[in-house]
Amino acid sequence: NAGVTQTPKFRVLKTGQSMTLLCAQDMNHEYMYWYRQDPGMGLRLIHYSVGEGTTAKGEVPDGYNVSRLKKQNFLLGLESAAPSQTSVYFCASSYSSQPGQGAGQPQHFGDGTRLSIL
Amino acid sequence: ILNVEQSPQSLHVQEGDSTNFTCSFPSSNFYALHWYRWETAKSPEALFVMTLNGDEKKKGRISATLNTKEGYSYLYIKGSQPEDSATYLCAFFNAGGTSYGKLTFGQGTILTVHP
Repeated sequence: NAGVTQTPKFRVLKTGQSMTLLCAQDMNHEYMYWYRQDPGMGLRLIHYSVGEGTTAKGEVPDGYNVSRLKKQNFLLGLESAAPSQTSVYFCASSYSSQPGQGAGQPQHFGDGTRLSIL
Repeated sequence: ILNVEQSPQSLHVQEGDSTNFTCSFPSSNFYALHWYRWETAKSPEALFVMTLNGDEKKKGRISATLNTKEGYSYLYIKGSQPEDSATYLCAFFNAGGTSYGKLTFGQGTILTVHP
């Protein structure tokens, strides 16, 4: 049982390049999230998904796109990478986030992707 | 944007000391308060999810309390050990407004336990 798996673990990009980060979970969770973690900023939500085929913006969505074509996968895309997007990216999933539907469920995190934009 | 504050930002204690830190959050539209432990080079792991005012949860030497009316939660570690060294994150789940359905994380308290 792998839990939440993120690929790749490390990547270096040049400004203007594009790439996609993959998050896969095998816990049949409905909700999935992408966060970025920067020094002194804590975890900030980029985008999230409440189910297959649906996505929503988080706190810092600009410059990123996401897709949830399959329940188990949540993709984060950088269309044109910028140095400000240098960060550690974490994916998480949870059974539910809705009150009355188990919002007391914790989020399960992947190991992170360290991304450097030169 | 919701304000979730954690204090102190960092804490250094000696092995065997007991310690505690605070998470402050909005007292309106409360649904749940999460605590996570985040070791260096690893991913955050859930410690507790608390939903009821007055709730107390315990896992080994770590315990947490919750006051939703005044908007704070305490995390306690009894008899700290070097392996307790980590960043402790709290996160507030909002049941209303534009932040509905999302966790807002505090910046964390970095705990270092010296042998």
